[in-house]
Amino acid sequence: DQQVKQNSPSLSVQEGRISILNCDYTNSMFDYFLWYKKYPAEGPTFLISISSIKDKNEDGRFTVFLNKSAKHLSLHIVPSQPGDSAVYFCAASPNRDDKIIFGKGTRLHILP
Amino acid sequence: DVKVTQSSRYLVKRTGEKVFLECVQDMDHENMFWYRQDPGLGLRLIYFSYDVKMKEKGDIPEGYSVSREKKERFSLILESASTNQTSMYLCASSPARAQYFGPGTRLLVL
Repeated sequence: DQQVKQNSPSLSVQEGRISILNCDYTNSMFDYFLWYKKYPAEGPTFLISISSIKDKNEDGRFTVFLNKSAKHLSLHIVPSQPGDSAVYFCAASPNRDDKIIFGKGTRLHILP
Repeated sequence: DVKVTQSSRYLVKRTGEKVFLECVQDMDHENMFWYRQDPGLGLRLIYFSYDVKMKEKGDIPEGYSVSREKKERFSLILESASTNQTSMYLCASSPARAQYFGPGTRLLVL
């Protein structure tokens, strides 16, 4: 049973526009959420995280929003750039646990 | 800057061979992890370790073992490689929640 779900396998966005990647989770014990970016033939790179005590965290062009009641989080990238084309993994960690559970990823294509 | 290195970027092995994948981190992190990544399946946790000589099974430990003799080094062992173990193997380390990944080893088992 998937605890972290990324329902869109891929997404195409025009350069300069906003990219919104979505993620749903089922386990109410998750209290820490992360987004990773992965290029082909490289390891994932940590992008941004959010604790369950917050509903928004911003870092430059990247903002993560958390809606605990809906068990939903999203990553906004504004403005989208060609280098943002990659696979994005949503991940979650249960309370007091250092393990991370990953979603299956969403491939983002930034169109020129 | 956190540095996680993996011994090989690409590896080709034959069915039945014993395979060692090495991972080294230079940040004195307590936690280390081994994942495999397959198309459409995301990252799946094989084994992890919270301390030297400690190991815990992840979601898919069958066919694998691990060794953590030193804090900075976490090895993944395929006792008898099989074709369904062809995959991208990713090592990660972390001081707490956020994990830092190595570049990955793409293993092909023929």
